[in-house]
Order: sequence, then structure tokens, then C-alpha cells
Amino acid sequence: QVQLQQSGAELVKPGSSVKISCKASGYTFTSYDMHWIKQQPGNGLEWIGWIYPGNGNTKYNQKFNGKATLTADKSSSTAYMQLSSLTSEDSAVYFCASLRGIGFAYWGQGTLVTVSS
Amino acid sequence: DIQMTQSPSSMSASLGDTVTITCLASQDIGNYLSWYQQKPGKSPKLMIYGATNLEDGVPSRFSGSRSGSDYSLTINSLGYDDEGIYHCHQYYEYPFTFGSGTKLEIK
Repeated sequence: QVQLQQSGAELVKPGSSVKISCKASGYTFTSYDMHWIKQQPGNGLEWIGWIYPGNGNTKYNQKFNGKATLTADKSSSTAYMQLSSLTSEDSAVYFCASLRGIGFAYWGQGTLVTVSS
Repeated sequence: DIQMTQSPSSMSASLGDTVTITCLASQDIGNYLSWYQQKPGKSPKLMIYGATNLEDGVPSRFSGSRSGSDYSLTINSLGYDDEGIYHCHQYYEYPFTFGSGTKLEIK
């Protein structure tokens, strides 16, 4: 069965960067886009972008240009998202999710990022 | 960007009731609309895709419909397990966008 296993919660300082991971299993990692989605406490969902692990192509929500960088390691079937120049506005739960043409059928469990000094 | 205006933001209903949640798309999205259920501390779960199609394993009490730019999720015969936050999502055009969510409480 398809599983997306994300890395654990992070507590980071303002101005720093953080890299979170999403390890995929149960399907061919290089065949499907991996998307990333942000959810701030009490807020709705916000789409950040996707990476196609097959060739490394990416597409970003313009709002996250310069904030998020998506990469993927085919050898370990793991997608990564790096967030830079962190502020309190970046404190949120971040999900990876796999789009299957019908919507996001598979989701990671989420990674909580807390930005605090 | 396509705006998805979701209503209501919260609602309370009784066991056995029927409820409807609506999303209004700011421009044409065809049937590229899905609905998710999210429980506290969990990731969203796909319930409806293509505006009207039930995801495998989702009870038939859930249904989706479309009228022009209005998309609706209807839940019949409410049970306690239906409590949670429901999100609509358009995947017609980038950037993908979501509604603001509807918190459903079962009295």
C-alpha cells in the first residue's frame, strides 16, 4: 500500500532554514508528482508546489518562490522541502501528498515546524 | 488565482441529520473539484473527486454535486464519525487552491 512517511517535528530559530522529508513507498516514486501543502493553526490548506521525481521538474505557487525549495532523491524514494529565512508566519504543519489525477489520494502524516527564538 | 469560497465556516448538526457544505469557484474549474475530511491532528482524507465521484471506501452517505460554479458536499444520516473539518479543493489550474474549511460538529 502507498505510504508517505514524513520526518519529525522541528523547532527552529527565526532567520534559519529547515529541511523536511517525505519517504514514499508502495508505488513507483519516479512516476508521480509529489506535492507539498501548508496548514497554519486554525487555517485552511495552502498549496506550495510539486516536484516530479522522475526528472526533477518543479512548479511552485508564486507565493512560495524563494521560500520553499523542492528536491527529490530517487535512490531513497524521498522528497524534500527546504524552507528558508524562517519567520513566525512559517510556523505550520506541512504535508506531502501524491496527486493521482483525482485529487490528493495519499498524504503524509504532516510535519510541524515551529519558528521561535 | 482561483478563489474557492466555502460556506458555512462552521456548523452543528444532530445525529441522523442531513447537511450540505458548499464551495463557490471564482472561475470555471470544470469538475476538477475534490472534498476532504480532516480529523484533529490527522492529514486530510479524500472523500469525493471529480466533483461527484465517491472515493473507494467512503460511505455512500456522502455525495457531491455541481450546479454551475457551486459545488456541494452532502452528508446524509450523520454519525459521530462524521465530525471534523471539510475542505474543498480545485485542481483545475495552478496554483491549486482550497476553500477555507467547514468545521462540522455533531450535537
